[in-house]
Amino acid sequence: DGGITQSPKYLFRKEGQNVTLSCEQNLNHDAMYWYRQDPGQGLRLIYYSQIVNDFQKGDIAEGYSVSREKKESFPLTVTSAQKNPTAFYLCASSIAPGAGGYTFGSGTRLTVV
Amino acid sequence: SQELEQSPQSLIVQEGKNLTINCTSSKTLYGLYWYKQKYGEGLIFLMMLQKGGEEKSHEKITAKLDEKKQQSSLHITASQPSHAGIYLCGADNAGGTSYGKLTFGQGTILTVHP
Repeated sequence: DGGITQSPKYLFRKEGQNVTLSCEQNLNHDAMYWYRQDPGQGLRLIYYSQIVNDFQKGDIAEGYSVSREKKESFPLTVTSAQKNPTAFYLCASSIAPGAGGYTFGSGTRLTVV
Repeated sequence: SQELEQSPQSLIVQEGKNLTINCTSSKTLYGLYWYKQKYGEGLIFLMMLQKGGEEKSHEKITAKLDEKKQQSSLHITASQPSHAGIYLCGADNAGGTSYGKLTFGQGTILTVHP
């Protein structure tokens, strides 16, 4: 079955460490997105990519980086510059930008220890 | 940027009761999505509305988009404990001329007591 796989489900980060969250999709979708969810704030867009080797900053990109070397993969790195990284991270994809049909992964919960 | 306001922020109902969740936009909604989320899990797509006055139903859930395309409502009839979760509305920015970025409301937490 097609879908989006996020890993790991839980991740713990020490102060000053970079960590990478994985997002893989087998839906043949062109566009992929990373969102951050905090209690009471809904979802906020971190980065998005409409095609391979291209990505754009979202509303809260500071302290994060991404790459899009393959159509299927859109990993997110949370750098030490992100001062408040503890949150629930969701990856999504859509067949094309603006085409609707957004599919979400099951999320990764990142905690700073 | 487009902002979405959901109301209420939380809702507690008795099983069997009807309920409505609202989503209001500061700008015209070109694509309005409703999702459901269980705590700590991903979002499950419920419905998408695009046209003013459009109404869609799936099982006991009905979503509507007003004629002006600035407000949507999600109505659950005869609620069940399985309806409990977080309901989120999302809107496609800039009429589809952007990269299909979704802006979300803050979510409505629904609790259904048996």
